[in-house]
Amino acid sequence: DGGITQSPKYLFRKEGQNVTLSCEQNLNHDAMYWYRQDPGQGLRLIYYSQIVNDFQKGDIAEGYSVSREKKESFPLTVTSAQKNPTAFYLCASSIWTSTDTQYFGPGTRLTVL
Amino acid sequence: QQPVQSPQAVILREGEDAVINCSSSKALYSVHWYRQKHGEAPVFLMILLKGGEQKGHEKISASFNEKKQQSSLYLTASQLSYSGTYFCGTDMAVGEPSGDMRFGAGTRLTVKP
Repeated sequence: DGGITQSPKYLFRKEGQNVTLSCEQNLNHDAMYWYRQDPGQGLRLIYYSQIVNDFQKGDIAEGYSVSREKKESFPLTVTSAQKNPTAFYLCASSIWTSTDTQYFGPGTRLTVL
Repeated sequence: QQPVQSPQAVILREGEDAVINCSSSKALYSVHWYRQKHGEAPVFLMILLKGGEQKGHEKISASFNEKKQQSSLYLTASQLSYSGTYFCGTDMAVGEPSGDMRFGAGTRLTVKP
């Protein structure tokens, strides 16, 4: 089945540690996205990528880093510089731009203790 | 800047209708509508494109007023399964469509028997 997978579903880390969230898609989509969602809030764009080896900052990129070495994969690293990292993180993909449907993964709930 | 959604919350009885609005401070290429159930990933409902094209759900309709930079989502004869939080998303790019999406804070819809 085609889709987007994120792992793990729940993640716990100690304050000050970097942590990498996985996102893989087999939809052959060019564009991939990372969003952060806080309780009762909307989605905020962290980074997006439209082609391999290229990515753009979104609304709240500070304290996060990404890579896009393969079309299928777009991992997100939450660094120790992110002041409030506890949140629900959603990865999405689309064929190309904002005129295309975004398909979301199941999300990773990160808790920093 | 994020688009602004209204109302923030709606409570309906099964079979009643609802309208959710989304407005932006900038010209829009497209407006996306998604529904999210608690703890789950957002699910695609509809995209409205500049020029009048629509892609989406058969049982849900929407409008897109390019001049007013507004969109409305119409939910008719609501069912219990319509409950959830509805988000609109818009592209922040100037020029051509990109992946730089911004989402509204959401409208929480509750349908009661």
